[in-house]
Amino acid sequence: GAGVSQSPSNKVTEKGKDVELRCDPISGHTALYWYRQSLGQGLEFLIYFQGNSAPDKSGLPSDRFSAERTGGSVSTLTIQRTQQEDSAVYLCASSLAGGGTLFYEQYFGPGTRLTVT
Amino acid sequence: AQSVTQPDIHITVSEGASLELRCNYSYGATPYLFWYVQSPGQGLQLLLKYFSGDTLVQGIKGFEAEFKRSQSSFNLRKPSVHWSDAAEYFCAVGTSEYGNKLVFGAGTILRVKS
Repeated sequence: GAGVSQSPSNKVTEKGKDVELRCDPISGHTALYWYRQSLGQGLEFLIYFQGNSAPDKSGLPSDRFSAERTGGSVSTLTIQRTQQEDSAVYLCASSLAGGGTLFYEQYFGPGTRLTVT
Repeated sequence: AQSVTQPDIHITVSEGASLELRCNYSYGATPYLFWYVQSPGQGLQLLLKYFSGDTLVQGIKGFEAEFKRSQSSFNLRKPSVHWSDAAEYFCAVGTSEYGNKLVFGAGTILRVKS
């Protein structure tokens, strides 16, 4: 079946502009994650959605970052007033479920490469 | 808090030679352990995982990994490397306690000499 998809694959933006990155999880997966991969910080967790529960935002680096998940499916990561240090690859992943006492395998999308000039 | 250490940033092996990539984790209980591979410009592909049971796990592309609780390690191995294995490899740890999110190591870049 279809995997996790992300759009756009590449985004170049000017410093100070807002950007939106989109993620379509695997159908039927209730948990969705955003990670960031950058040269200086490696792969780091940003935010996690599980069903209708309040998202875990503990990894968001600043209040310029936000994310929402509409209808329990598609998610959008928004970065306001972008800075050069926001340049990175943003990866989305989904899993069948999340939380509780079991751990569920995560499937990753191809990522969005963001370049802030 | 969980942490993952991959002590080798770069490794070069000859095609056909054996490979071992090291991974050490820090966590009080038994974590869930993963190895992912990333080719240039691609997302992360799961190679194998350890949840419980047999400490030697088999994955895709001929890879295997061994969980050693006493050493807090989960090293990745392959008996004979192919040129197509050149990529970056990430070890990751997850726990349901922390809501299913993954903590990744810094990655090891594998170069294969022909």
